[in-house]
Amino acid sequence: DQQVKQNSPSLSVQEGRISILNCDYTNSMFDYFLWYKKYPAEGPTFLISISSIKDKNEDGRFTVFLNKSAKHLSLHIVPSQPGDSAVYFCAAIIFGNEKLTFGTGTRLTIIP
Amino acid sequence: GAGVSQSPSNKVTEKGKDVELRCDPISGHTALYWYRQSLGQGLEFLIYFQGNSAPDKSGLPSDRFSAERTGGSVSTLTIQRTQQEDSAVYLCASSSRASGNTIYFGEGSWLTVV
Repeated sequence: DQQVKQNSPSLSVQEGRISILNCDYTNSMFDYFLWYKKYPAEGPTFLISISSIKDKNEDGRFTVFLNKSAKHLSLHIVPSQPGDSAVYFCAAIIFGNEKLTFGTGTRLTIIP
Repeated sequence: GAGVSQSPSNKVTEKGKDVELRCDPISGHTALYWYRQSLGQGLEFLIYFQGNSAPDKSGLPSDRFSAERTGGSVSTLTIQRTQQEDSAVYLCASSSRASGNTIYFGEGSWLTVV
């Protein structure tokens, strides 16, 4: 049972444009959502997170939106840069359980 | 240390042999996690430690897999009688409530079973 889903395995975006990465979840008990970025041959790097009590969190070029009624979150990157090319994983956690549940990832390619 | 440290970074082993993967979490982090990512797959949860105890072992794929953590710090993931399907990158991560529960990953141990 895939509780966190990233339905787009890949996405290509022109440099300077907005990248939108989507994530859906099924478990309404999730308290916190996180986005990780992963380059080849490296471990995932934490990018940005959002609590379930918020609907938006912004950090520089990165903004995460949460729509609890739709059980959907998205990561917006604007403007997209070539260094943003990586695999992006969304993840969710229930406090007290402490286990991160990951989506399968979306490979973002920024086209110069 | 400054980050989560894993060793070895790469391991090639023959089918049937045992392997040990080591993780040094960020100093002071009480929670430690093991995940793995097989080729073309997402990140798969294996086991979680809070201190030295493992409240959640639900992700260990078989009884060939075991993990321990001593002194609330270093953890070892052991795979016995390795099989080719065990080939993956094994990622360790750590967190603490003081760090806002953000989970920080190491660079992984790349295991290839031949």
